[in-house]
Amino acid sequence: KAGVTQTPRYLIKTRGQQVTLSCSPISGHRSVSWYQQTPGQGLQFLFEYFSETQRNKGNFPGRFSGRQFSNSRSEMNVSTLELGDSALYLCASSPGTSGGRPQFFGPGTRLTVL
Amino acid sequence: AQSVTQLDSHVSVSEGTPVLLRCNYSSSYSPSLFWYVQHPNKGLQLLLKYTSAATLVKGINGFEAEFKKSETSFHLTKPSAHMSDAAEYFCVVSDREGSQGNLIFGKGTKLSVKP
Repeated sequence: KAGVTQTPRYLIKTRGQQVTLSCSPISGHRSVSWYQQTPGQGLQFLFEYFSETQRNKGNFPGRFSGRQFSNSRSEMNVSTLELGDSALYLCASSPGTSGGRPQFFGPGTRLTVL
Repeated sequence: AQSVTQLDSHVSVSEGTPVLLRCNYSSSYSPSLFWYVQHPNKGLQLLLKYTSAATLVKGINGFEAEFKKSETSFHLTKPSAHMSDAAEYFCVVSDREGSQGNLIFGKGTKLSVKP
């Protein structure tokens, strides 16, 4: 089975712009979660989607949003980018609602905001 | 509230010697616990998981971890370090109730392996 794929792998944007990141889960996985990784804050949970519905949301401002499509692929969007949004954004998939189940991570999208 | 504390930010061992990465957790519910590894510029890979079956959990690449409820610990060990083990390791807690999909990560422990 192919693993979790994320596109693009690298992205450079300027402050004020918006960005959309894409994640394709492992085939058959219906839960997709997003995480932000920075040197200062470490890994932080953004949100989780299951069957096109947001199931859980972390403590991030409303500029961060996401969605999931009927084929389980997911996108996350960040509007009005700030310098502090520079991070590695990781997507993870799981067969079902992932409480207690392991998640399988993609390689990440490295976003740099100038 | 759930939390996880990795007691060492950096551990250095010599190749062939044992590895011990320490983790303590706090959870309101019966916890599910995981260890993930991240090699430089790579995504996270699951090493092992504990979900209330056996307290001694065996993972990939010779790693294992023991769940000790009385000590609220889930330390990761390996009998003999290999150069390829050099990476960052994350202890993770996920409650099986309520916080669906919310993995709480420790700050990570960077493992260095000297030849």
